[in-house]
Amino acid sequence: QVQLVESGGGVVQPGGSLRLSCEASGFSFGSYGMHWVRQAPGKGLQWVAYTQYDGINKYYADSVKGRFTISRDNSKNSVYLYMDSLTIEDTGFYYCAKADLDNWGPGTLVTVSS
Amino acid sequence: QSALTQPASVSGSPGQSITISCTGTSSDFGRYNLVSWFQHHPGRAPKLIIFENNKRPSGVSHRFSGSRSGNTASLTISGLQPEDEGDFHCCSYIGTPTFYVFGTGTKVTVL
Repeated sequence: QVQLVESGGGVVQPGGSLRLSCEASGFSFGSYGMHWVRQAPGKGLQWVAYTQYDGINKYYADSVKGRFTISRDNSKNSVYLYMDSLTIEDTGFYYCAKADLDNWGPGTLVTVSS
Repeated sequence: QSALTQPASVSGSPGQSITISCTGTSSDFGRYNLVSWFQHHPGRAPKLIIFENNKRPSGVSHRFSGSRSGNTASLTISGLQPEDEGDFHCCSYIGTPTFYVFGTGTKVTVL
């Protein structure tokens, strides 16, 4: 059974940074790309970032490019999202999702507030 | 990339059928023709219920069906049940480097 569990969310001031983690189990993690998707309060889902199965190719939404960095450690079955220069608009739930978005975690809440 | 447009809310009585629309542009749907739908209860993981426009993952109720015509995709829930309440999101794969565009989300209420 595929399981994804995010952690690392919290309250941070504008301009601050945060690192999210997502631990995977129940599938061959190193064989799949992984995504981060977020949902701001009252808004729809928004794709944020993707890392290829081997961590070589990475892609970002324009709204986070240059501020967020996705990485992975296949030896720990984990994918990470390092978020820097955070703004109020980055507030929301952050979800990790497997390759074709066929499995998601329950999310972790990031609140950017002064 | 703008979000796909969904109605904010749709409601129906138990046993009825409802349809949620998801409207975009030709660039949102045209090249790959891969629309997915997700059911999301707040505080829980979003669940894939339709992929590749009209396919259901194993274990998903046959009451959920998807279709697409031109620049509008649709999700129909037949035989509405109380447990169908929640948020529903459409999503179109648009390839690299942006990967996915999502809809604005629809809240389904069972009266």
